[in-house]
Amino acid sequence: DTAVSQTPKYLVTQMGNDKSIKCEQNLGHDTMYWYKQDSKKFLKIMFSYNNKELIINETVPNRFSPKSPDKAHLNLHINSLELGDSAVYFCASSHVAGAGDTQYFGPGTRLTVL
Amino acid sequence: GENVEQHPSTLSVQEGDSAVIKCTYSDSASNYFPWYKQELGKGPQLIIDIRSNVGEKKDQRIAVTLNKTAKHFSLHITETQPEDSAVYFCAASRGFQKLVFGTGTRLLVSP
Repeated sequence: DTAVSQTPKYLVTQMGNDKSIKCEQNLGHDTMYWYKQDSKKFLKIMFSYNNKELIINETVPNRFSPKSPDKAHLNLHINSLELGDSAVYFCASSHVAGAGDTQYFGPGTRLTVL
Repeated sequence: GENVEQHPSTLSVQEGDSAVIKCTYSDSASNYFPWYKQELGKGPQLIIDIRSNVGEKKDQRIAVTLNKTAKHFSLHITETQPEDSAVYFCAASRGFQKLVFGTGTRLLVSP
């Protein structure tokens, strides 16, 4: 069983389109995250949700909107896609929101905007 | 905010040698320092972590050291094997799980 899963694994789309990436965790964790990894492998947090509530919202364009229907799911919607949005997006989860708790990452979604 | 620097960006070693990756952080209040390994096409995976009340931690061939005064922490891999080849990330955080990652080190272990 995959602990943190993401769909799709690859996403190729045109500029201006709207797309969604789904994430699910079956670990029973309370906290979920979205990270962006750029072409230079730099990994940066975008959002964090704890029990469906937003607790971290980094400087991310309004075109990105996370949605958490329940504790096990955190989806990422991106409107009006731009070339610079091309990256690998990782979902992660941890048991609690507090320093020192292991974060488990999903396999990533490679987004390519043409 | 926190800033984490990581060196070197690439590291090539022969199988059986040791590898050391170093990180520095800026926020003296950071209290959790994990290390992640990312293999090609996969998500990062935690390999070891250390908290600010501990100076050193070891797990088989992997060890991490922390110098709070200098705000340095390092990953040591002994007896490297080809399967250790990957990108390694250090990170630091305090509160609310906001991990700040280093820029990554690509480790290549040659047979």
